[in-house]
Amino acid sequence: EDQVTQSPEALRLQEGESSSLNCSYTVSGLRGLFWYRQDPGKGPEFLFTLYSAGEEKEKERLKATLTKKESFLHITAPKPEDSATYLCAVTYSGYALNFGKGTSLLVTP
Amino acid sequence: GAVVSQHPSRVICKSGTSVKIECRSLDFQATTMFWYRQFPKQSLMLMATSNEGSKATYEQGVEKDKFLINHASLTLSTLTVTSAHPEDSSFYICSARRLAQGRDEQFFGPGTRLTVL
Repeated sequence: EDQVTQSPEALRLQEGESSSLNCSYTVSGLRGLFWYRQDPGKGPEFLFTLYSAGEEKEKERLKATLTKKESFLHITAPKPEDSATYLCAVTYSGYALNFGKGTSLLVTP
Repeated sequence: GAVVSQHPSRVICKSGTSVKIECRSLDFQATTMFWYRQFPKQSLMLMATSNEGSKATYEQGVEKDKFLINHASLTLSTLTVTSAHPEDSSFYICSARRLAQGRDEQFFGPGTRLTVL
């Protein structure tokens, strides 16, 4: 049973069209929720860590929020260079990351 | 962000040979590193947790005698794929855990593409 579920699997946006990616989790005792960006053939690039419900973090056009059941990655006025796969992961009892399957984002000019 | 390197970035080998992949944290010390495997269009799957100075902890279904892990220092972990076969072809990625200023974060290397002929 999946502990981390990301939706949608794929998302196509026009440049400037804001949207949100979802990450829902079912683990108890969450230690941290992580967002990464991964470009094809490369390792994941760290974006954010969220530790408690109500927490929010921002970086350029990205904003991550966390509730007790899910996290959202909001993308404001995206640009083509934001195209990538966005991965959500959680840690609970240990320190290893449990990844969702990712959302593949394509931003067209 | 912290920097983690991997070497080599790409390797092609014949079936039956062994391949060693290095993972280094360049600007911080990491008592814990992790090794993941990623198949095309799939997410990262944890293989093992590598702790400096002690034996690695392997995930269920991962053969410890096939995937040898050594974490000899606070900045270096190695993964050796022994007697590699075509089904071992994959993208191997390491991460290093950094504890600093109340934050517990993991930073990933750029990955190693292994192709076994």
